[in-house]
Amino acid sequence: AQTVTQSQPEMSVQEAETVTLSCTYDTSENNYYLFWYKQPPSRQMILVIRQEAYKQQNATENRFSVNFQKAAKSFSLKISDSQLGDTAMYFCAFMKRRAGGGADGLTFGKGTHLIIQP
Amino acid sequence: EAQVTQNPRYLITVTGKKLTVTCSQNMNHEYMSWYRQDPGLGLRQIYYSMNVEVTDKGDVPEGYKVSRKEKRNFPLILESPSPNQTSLYFCASSPWPLATNEKLFFGSGTQLSVL
Repeated sequence: AQTVTQSQPEMSVQEAETVTLSCTYDTSENNYYLFWYKQPPSRQMILVIRQEAYKQQNATENRFSVNFQKAAKSFSLKISDSQLGDTAMYFCAFMKRRAGGGADGLTFGKGTHLIIQP
Repeated sequence: EAQVTQNPRYLITVTGKKLTVTCSQNMNHEYMSWYRQDPGLGLRQIYYSMNVEVTDKGDVPEGYKVSRKEKRNFPLILESPSPNQTSLYFCASSPWPLATNEKLFFGSGTQLSVL
């Protein structure tokens, strides 16, 4: 079974600073997806960024970027120029692609509560 | 508008009273799944389905049932709810396989309290 570890239960930074959230995962698979989801107080699950394991290039999405280190099984999220609206729970998630085209579901980490201070 | 609709948003019930949480998607997605979210534990998968009449257990299936008779619907059934099933539940769907720029769509969540 896959496991996803987020070692920072809570982080707090000042507005406009850059912050990095860590995520490591454990798998013997070679073909999978990785995701970062944001959950604001509204409880909505919002996709921040995704990465396919076969792609060496790190994904970016505006102020959000990842540092994907496949050999180290690490998938950290960097938020640049942080804003008050970035305050939320952030979940790292892993999805294995099965041979033959199927998939297992998402395995989530326990989350990091990110607080952006004004 | 593309969406995953869960109902109800909030539900308070008593131990042993059967209940169903509905989930419907309007995007013709093959893949649908259910998660529960508990403080300090993140989200854990209950069941998932790759297509009609195909369902698989996730990490925490005990006490739950699902069915996938139609592609758009994936209800979660608690035959005899217990207090340890008090949780926030999410339904999600996606096309499969996931092409570039595609994602899981999540419903708005169902907060269930079992007394």
